[in-house]
Amino acid sequence: ILNVEQSPQSLHVQEGDSTNFTCSFPSSNFYALHWYRWETAKSPEALFVMTLNGDEKKKGRISATLNTKEGYSYLYIKGSQPEDSATYLCASGPGSGNTGKLIFGQGTTLQVKP
Amino acid sequence: NAGVTQTPKFQVLKTGQSMTLQCAQDMNHEYMSWYRQDPGMGLRLIHYSVGAGITDQGEVPNGYNVSRSTTEDFPLRLLSAAPSQTSVYFCASSSKRGTGSTDTQYFGPGTRLTVL
Repeated sequence: ILNVEQSPQSLHVQEGDSTNFTCSFPSSNFYALHWYRWETAKSPEALFVMTLNGDEKKKGRISATLNTKEGYSYLYIKGSQPEDSATYLCASGPGSGNTGKLIFGQGTTLQVKP
Repeated sequence: NAGVTQTPKFQVLKTGQSMTLQCAQDMNHEYMSWYRQDPGMGLRLIHYSVGAGITDQGEVPNGYNVSRSTTEDFPLRLLSAAPSQTSVYFCASSSKRGTGSTDTQYFGPGTRLTVL
């Protein structure tokens, strides 16, 4: 079973702070790395899908980087806002090809205080 | 498009009862998956399917059956419900594009199941 780990488990920041989380995954047999944003009582929504070493993706104040050789991805939030409060999930697709199968980490829960 | 739909939204079962959680998507996606979400454990893959007639096990398949007779539908069956199956269940679908890029997964609204 592929092991995807996220840290920290939870994070409390003040409005305006910038923050980042880590997702680590086995670097062997890598296929794709996904980031999802999950608000309470809603369904997870996709932020990024990355496949290439060195990939960087950006959506507004949120960006992500990928290092497939060492097996980690960072998610950055610049100038956090209360509406950024959510659980951020990363997931990795194993290297058996594109099966749509993803293994998720346990998530990082972010609370942004006004 | 309705996207991914799940029924019911809430369900209470007694130990030993069986039931089917329904999942349907109208995006013509090849891939569909079932996850369960438990506190502190993120999403765990139960079963997945790469197309009609093809299914495979995920991390936590025991106690669950699936079938995929059409592209649109992917029901999850609990054969004999146990309290350990109390959870929130999410269905998701995704499409294969191009020559093997992995597309994002679209999630349904979830089914909250309680087994007494």
